[in-house]
Amino acid sequence: DSGVTQTPKHLITATGQRVTLRCSPRSGDLSVYWYQQSLDQGLQFLIQYYNGEERAKGNILERFSAQQFPDLHSELNLSSLELGDSALYFCASSAEGLADYNEQFFGPGTRLTVL
Amino acid sequence: AQKVTQAQTEISVVEKEDVTLDCVYETRDTTYYLFWYKQPPSGELVFLIRRNSFDEQNEISGRYSWNFQKSTSSFNFTITASQVVDSAVYFCALSEVTLSGGYQKVTFGTGTKLQVIP
Repeated sequence: DSGVTQTPKHLITATGQRVTLRCSPRSGDLSVYWYQQSLDQGLQFLIQYYNGEERAKGNILERFSAQQFPDLHSELNLSSLELGDSALYFCASSAEGLADYNEQFFGPGTRLTVL
Repeated sequence: AQKVTQAQTEISVVEKEDVTLDCVYETRDTTYYLFWYKQPPSGELVFLIRRNSFDEQNEISGRYSWNFQKSTSSFNFTITASQVVDSAVYFCALSEVTLSGGYQKVTFGTGTKLQVIP
């Protein structure tokens, strides 16, 4: 058990809908990362937050947004869903400082199926 | 543009053999990070290592070792005395580094599926 939790484990929804994926980092970890893994696109880095602020942005679509709350949990919001958004979404956390960081710990992922 | 190539799509080895997974990258940045991740059949992602571009020292962790060669833009991963539990998909990744220490343009390879046969 990595200590990172993600809910829900599975999500089935329809095109055009909006969903929210939740991630709770390991206790004390300030950084949260979101990744998407799909058959078409492979593994992609979406976004990183550090202590509530966005630090780095990857291939995140405009229809997607994320935030990290004061209690350090993070949510990834996916809207106007398309079939191609079906994927496994991973969250990871690390005890990252400004100069260096420790290893990333991954959650079990949320499998999103868009029908 | 950044690119990570894992030319080996699938590798099969017999238990106790050594195996090397290749990773070749392309970047114009002088400062960057390289990563290896493991994804076992159960599906979770496991972080294995991060290396920054200024540190070309090879690293060994138990049966795992990494060979970073800037001259050939390669960051290869060797498993010594492979075990069945090593069966997984292994991903190599590259990212540039922002001034704040964050990561941008993280690019993953397509992964190498390793099967260790008992």
